[in-house]
Amino acid sequence: DIQMTQSPSSLSASVGDRVTITCRASQTIGSYLNWYQQRPGKAPKLLIYAASSLQSGVPSRFSGSGSGSDFTLTISSLQPEDFATYYCQQTYFTPLAFGQGTKVEIK
Amino acid sequence: EVQLVESGGGLVQPGGSLRLSCAPSGFTVSNTYMSWVRQAPGKGLEWVSVIYSGGNTYYADSVKGRFTISRDNSKNTLYLQMNSLRAEDTAVYFCARVRDGYNFRYFDYWGQGTLVTVSS
Repeated sequence: DIQMTQSPSSLSASVGDRVTITCRASQTIGSYLNWYQQRPGKAPKLLIYAASSLQSGVPSRFSGSGSGSDFTLTISSLQPEDFATYYCQQTYFTPLAFGQGTKVEIK
Repeated sequence: EVQLVESGGGLVQPGGSLRLSCAPSGFTVSNTYMSWVRQAPGKGLEWVSVIYSGGNTYYADSVKGRFTISRDNSKNTLYLQMNSLRAEDTAVYFCARVRDGYNFRYFDYWGQGTLVTVSS
């Protein structure tokens, strides 16, 4: 099975900061990597698919990069509504595993 | 507008069974990949199962042999039959639509979730 490892597990940042979250797959997954945002008590929301494609309606401050086994989610200028937990997910092979999540908190 | 509405959650004793339903609007389950994802209280997301448009099904090792994903095209509804439930199956269960194509596969729409509690 493919394991997904995110780092960091949590971070504290201020509004306006640039934030970077990384995700590493235990084997190559091409570009089959997605990023989701989840606010407390809500369903996950798709942000980025195929490693770097921005989902319709998602603000352009979110971007994704990488291929193979190393991937990055970047928020260029953190906004108050971005404080949430972020998950990566590989969809190359079943089981379609998620990373453990990165909680972005207010500094 | 695409929406997904789950139902069927509740309190069940260990060893018991429950069937979750997911009723979409705005598309049909018959020609769409669909998936279930769960989230235990205070924990991260855990993928549970997927059904492809051709009918192939796949499961996480943690539920294989106990859970069954299916769909009823006439009712346009996705199901998750859960048998031999354990305390560790306690979670909010989400259904999600899966978009699949050349070099991509992602979960673009999610339901609001339904809570399953396994306890005596």
